[in-house]
Amino acid sequence: GNSVTQMEGPVTLSEEAFLTINCTYTATGYPSLFWYVQYPGEGLQLLLKATKADDKGSNKGFEATYRKETTSFHLEKGSVQVSDSAVYFCALRGSNYKLTFGKGTLLTVNP
Amino acid sequence: DAGVIQSPRHEVTEMGQEVTLRCKPISGHDYLFWYRQTMMRGLELLIYFNNNVPIDDSGMPEDRFSAKMPNASFSTLKIQPSEPRDSAVYFCASGPDRGNGNQPQHFGDGTRLSIL
Repeated sequence: GNSVTQMEGPVTLSEEAFLTINCTYTATGYPSLFWYVQYPGEGLQLLLKATKADDKGSNKGFEATYRKETTSFHLEKGSVQVSDSAVYFCALRGSNYKLTFGKGTLLTVNP
Repeated sequence: DAGVIQSPRHEVTEMGQEVTLRCKPISGHDYLFWYRQTMMRGLELLIYFNNNVPIDDSGMPEDRFSAKMPNASFSTLKIQPSEPRDSAVYFCASGPDRGNGNQPQHFGDGTRLSIL
């Protein structure tokens, strides 16, 4: 079956530091890949997505590239802000409409 | 636009009681999903509907859980009888069907359920 593995947190960074959260997946066929973000007390919000190999999703300074050869979709941001503190989820969708999520990575950015 | 609306936001009740969680999806969305989030197990899909019809309920933990979608604008998740291990945050999400399966799901703010 489909599965998503993302780096365990928590991740603590200083403001303006570089962020990488690793995500790898196992799936049959050609899944679509997503990053969702969850702020405290809220539901998940779509951050970015990529639907085919070599696509790059980007939003709010975050980027992730769909790498089929390494089955990866790592999330990066060049300069994090305190307001980026949240839990980040990597997810994939295969041939049906179901999303498979990673366990989430808690990011804390200190001023 | 109104997002996915869930009620109640918080529910505290004693074990053995019936619990009903409610969800109003975004208008025009054909898919509706119920998830459960816990520290131990992360985010789990319980059940999802397409055009009000349950498609996959393999994630429903046991017969104490049931979900219905009587119309396109309303769904319920019911637990009867409730147990302390059901304590979690329950999310409802909805999504459009544009035929390519790439549309994102939109999540509500969740119901934080505590069973004492």
